[in-house]
Amino acid sequence: GIQVEQSPPDLILQEGANSTLRCNFSDSVNNLQWFHQNPWGQLINLFYIPSGTKQNGRLSATTVATERYSLLYISSSQTTDSGVYFCAASGGYNKLIFGAGTRLAVHP
Amino acid sequence: DADVTQTPRNRITKTGKRIMLECSQTKGHDRMYWYRQDPGLGLRLIYYSFDVKDINKGEISDGYSVSRQAQAKFSLSLESAIPNQTALYFCATSDFGGANVLTFGAGSRLTVL
Repeated sequence: GIQVEQSPPDLILQEGANSTLRCNFSDSVNNLQWFHQNPWGQLINLFYIPSGTKQNGRLSATTVATERYSLLYISSSQTTDSGVYFCAASGGYNKLIFGAGTRLAVHP
Repeated sequence: DADVTQTPRNRITKTGKRIMLECSQTKGHDRMYWYRQDPGLGLRLIYYSFDVKDINKGEISDGYSVSRQAQAKFSLSLESAIPNQTALYFCATSDFGGANVLTFGAGSRLTVL
């Protein structure tokens, strides 16, 4: 099955800094999603982005399907951005496989 | 009320006991999933169901069973719990007709002593 790898595993930022999180996947995908898990454990979908670029406020994501990676950009980070960011991808039957996540800590 | 509701939210049990985690949804989605989260390992798929008569094994189904009682209800059972099943369990739903975007419940934290 498809393999999903995320980097970096951990990231520490000062409030106001920008960051880029990466997701590599091992095969062609027809579904790729980014999620944020807040410190209380709640998982929220950020983007559905099997290809192309999307933006939502300070967050944006780009997937280059032909090169098998996706990037999540966080600009002007805030303490509320802290948590774990997961990438999940699927190929044929939309059975999403998750990466191990990037743990982000934003300090004031 | 939450779109995807999991019960119980927290449970402590002993080795060998039978445990059921329940999930109900009001989103009207066809597809339902059970994931397990362990520290540093992300989420791993246990079972998934694309409609009431459809049940499929995921990455780590051994030691678990599921029941899709209705379109809105999907339960996960541990017939004889063991300590390495201690984890955070998530139920999720998605819409077949849409982009298959997952909506998660709040999670059920299970501790097996």
